This record gives sequence, C-alpha cells and structure tokens, in this order.
Amino acid sequence: EAQVTQNPRYLITVTGKKLTVTCSQNMNHEYMSWYRQDPGLGLRQIYYSMNVEVTDKGDVPEGYKVSRKEKRNFPLILESPSPNQTSLYFCASSVNRVPYEQYFGPGTRLTVT
Amino acid sequence: EDKVVQSPLSLVVHEGDTVTLNCSYEVTNFRSLLWYKQEKKAPTFLFMLTSSGIEKKSGRLSSILDKKELFSILNITATQTGDSAIYLCAVGKETSGSRLTFGEGTQLTVNP
Repeated sequence: EAQVTQNPRYLITVTGKKLTVTCSQNMNHEYMSWYRQDPGLGLRQIYYSMNVEVTDKGDVPEGYKVSRKEKRNFPLILESPSPNQTSLYFCASSVNRVPYEQYFGPGTRLTVT
Repeated sequence: EDKVVQSPLSLVVHEGDTVTLNCSYEVTNFRSLLWYKQEKKAPTFLFMLTSSGIEKKSGRLSSILDKKELFSILNITATQTGDSAIYLCAVGKETSGSRLTFGEGTQLTVNP
C-alpha cells in the first residue's frame, strides 16, 4: 500500500531534550516536505527536499533540522525543543518537481513542556 | 510575499444545504491550485486546477479556477455530516518545484 509513515504519532517531551521525528515513504517520490499546523495559521512549511542530499528552508525553519540521505526517508530533528514548537507536524511527499498532489503522513502531535 | 486567503474561516450548515468555499491568491508565477480535505487526521487530496473556467467534479464536490480574478471556489451540494472537515486550499508556482503554499483553511460543520 502506498503510504507515508511518521513516528512517533504522539510525543510529550521537555524543553531542550533533542528529538527526531521520522518520516518514510514507499512511493519512490523525489519531493518530501515537513509542515506544522497550528490553529488559525494553517499548514506552514518547515523544510523541503527535492531529492537525496538536496534540502531547503521553508517558511518557518528556525529550530529545526532535516536530512535526506536516502530517497525514502526525511527525518525532522529538533535539537533543543521549546514550548513554541508544540504543534501538529505532517510529513508529505509527491511524485515530481511541479506543483502536484502531495501525500500526507498521519501526523505527529508534539507537546513540549 | 505569496498569499493564499480562504473564506469563510468557519461555516456551520444543515444537512442538505449547498456550500461555497472561497480561495483567493496572490502569487507570482502561478502554476496550480489544489484543494484538500482534512478530517481529524492527514489532509487528503480533492482536486488540482491549472486552467481557468474548467470545472472539476467528483460526486457532490466541484471546483473551478479563475486565473484572471485569482480565485477558486469549492462547491459542495446536498451536504452530509461526513462533509464536516477543514478544507484547505494550496497554490503551487512554476518556479518552486513541488512546493505548495497553504491557506488557513475553512472549518465546515454540517449538522444533522
């Protein structure tokens, strides 16, 4: 089954404790992206990747890191999480380089206390 | 700065009503406009529009794009409680590859 998976689905952590949210897709998509969703602000892009070893900042990259060492994986790293990073995070992938339907993962609800 | 604005932000209707959701945009090098439906989980794709005036239809949902006036509408006829969701509009640009800019979304609630 074609899908985007994320882990963990729920996470409660404390300020400053490094964490990684994994994202994996099995559709051989070149493009992958991370979004955060907050009430009243919609989906905002954090980082995206056009292909392996090619990543770039989205609209709200501060406090986040990503890597793309393999085509299928695109982990999101929070080196020192803060309470303002409490949010719902989505990973997405799509088939090619033009604006196209993106497939979303199930979401990770992160709470930083 | 690119902008995607959806209206209304929230809407409450009764089953059987017809609703129209709006999405206006200001982006350079426009390529496509996409609609997604988000229930209590990940957004799921509804439509992608690239040409003005051509209606896309799927069951009770339809959408059309006006590239001159820079907006799109999503119509839902004979609404059902299962249509309750957040409807997201996103715009892609010629020069930005697969990158999408999303609007805030419209929260639709359909009461029985």
